[in-house]
Amino acid sequence: AIQLTQSPSSLSASLGDRVTITCRASQGITNGLAWYQQKPGKPPKLVIYDASKLQNGVPSRFSGSASGTDFTLTISSLQPEDVATYYCQQFNSHRFTFGPGTKVEIK
Amino acid sequence: VQLVESGGGLVKPRRSLRLSCAASGFTFDDYYMSWIRQAPGRGLEWISYISKSGDNVYYADSVRGRFTMSRDNAKKSLFLQMEGLRAEDTAVYYCGRLVQNYFDSWGQGILVTVSS
Repeated sequence: AIQLTQSPSSLSASLGDRVTITCRASQGITNGLAWYQQKPGKPPKLVIYDASKLQNGVPSRFSGSASGTDFTLTISSLQPEDVATYYCQQFNSHRFTFGPGTKVEIK
Repeated sequence: VQLVESGGGLVKPRRSLRLSCAASGFTFDDYYMSWIRQAPGRGLEWISYISKSGDNVYYADSVRGRFTMSRDNAKKSLFLQMEGLRAEDTAVYYCGRLVQNYFDSWGQGILVTVSS
């Protein structure tokens, strides 16, 4: 089964900062990768799919990219409403896998 | 799109529980559906997904043989029958709609607590 790791596990940044979260797959991903945002007490929300496509209604400050088995979620200018935990996710061989999450806070 | 889970609560170890998810706002039988859970303070864990017709169901290793996922397209409902519950099954359970290989809509979640 494909494993996903995320780094960092948490980060603290200032408003307006550029924030980057990395998700690394244990092997090549052929069925795409997604990113979700989860705020405390709420269900996750799809932010990015197919590694770089922005889900409808998500602010354009969010972007995704891929390079081999490394995937990146970038927030170009951190806003207060972006405080959340972010998870990556992939699908392979009838199994879905989530990364362990990255908690984003405001400094 | 609205997904509303029900049926959660406190249950003793080794007992059973059945979760339901009522769907509205979309053509239910056009979509694969899934259950995902989240233990308190922990990350997300996918547990099962079902095809549009309900003919094909897939499970995570952690629940295979104990949990059964099904759907009733006429009633626009999803179910998760959980048997032999363990303390480690304690979690918020979400139903999710699948588009391609992603969960584009989620319910608010329902808490299942397994404790004596």
